Amino acid sequence: NAGVTQTPKFQVLKTGQSMTLQCAQDMNHEYMSWYRQDPGMGLRLIHYSVGAGITDQGEVPNGYNVSRSTTEDFPLRLLSAAPSQTSVYFCASSYLGRTQFNYGYTFGSGTRLTVV
Amino acid sequence: QQPVQSPQAVILREGEDAVINCSSSKALYSVHWYRQKHGEAPVFLMILLKGGEQKGHDKISASFNEKKQQSSLYLTASQLSYSGTYFCGTKERGSARQLTFGSGTQLTVLP
Repeated sequence: NAGVTQTPKFQVLKTGQSMTLQCAQDMNHEYMSWYRQDPGMGLRLIHYSVGAGITDQGEVPNGYNVSRSTTEDFPLRLLSAAPSQTSVYFCASSYLGRTQFNYGYTFGSGTRLTVV
Repeated sequence: QQPVQSPQAVILREGEDAVINCSSSKALYSVHWYRQKHGEAPVFLMILLKGGEQKGHDKISASFNEKKQQSSLYLTASQLSYSGTYFCGTKERGSARQLTFGSGTQLTVLP
């Protein structure tokens, strides 16, 4: 059981480049989300999804796009990378039930992104 | 509204106890607790759903005081493996906002 798998683990981008961070889970979780973690600021929500075809914005969505075509995959796209997007990115998933807030989140191992 | 965690950091010796607090200015529906070791992903510890609820996980337990909009994480007889950063995540009652995480409490257990 792999849980939540994120790729790549490390990435260096030049300003203006675009890229996609991959996230896949094999637990049949309906809820998936993307967080960024910056020193001293905890985890901030970028985008989330409660099922295939359904996505919504979190606290810090600007500069990022997501889509959810399957239950398993939830890629995060950086449209035009900026130095302010240098961060560690985590994908998380959970069961939904009546609400995802009744269940613990399973996090991927993270992607460390540097934009130069 | 980001919950406020205190203290920001704590250092203790193996076998000592610690308490980490998580406070919100909003009425809460649920409180999650996670531990993150350096360079790793956050790992789920426990969730509290009802005011006054207490849960335990080995020698780590937590309480949820709905009236005070506060949760506390209790680490008893700390082990070296307890070192890491502890985050609380809160869901506000009646709000469409998603789970919001505090900025974390860094716990260091020394031999």
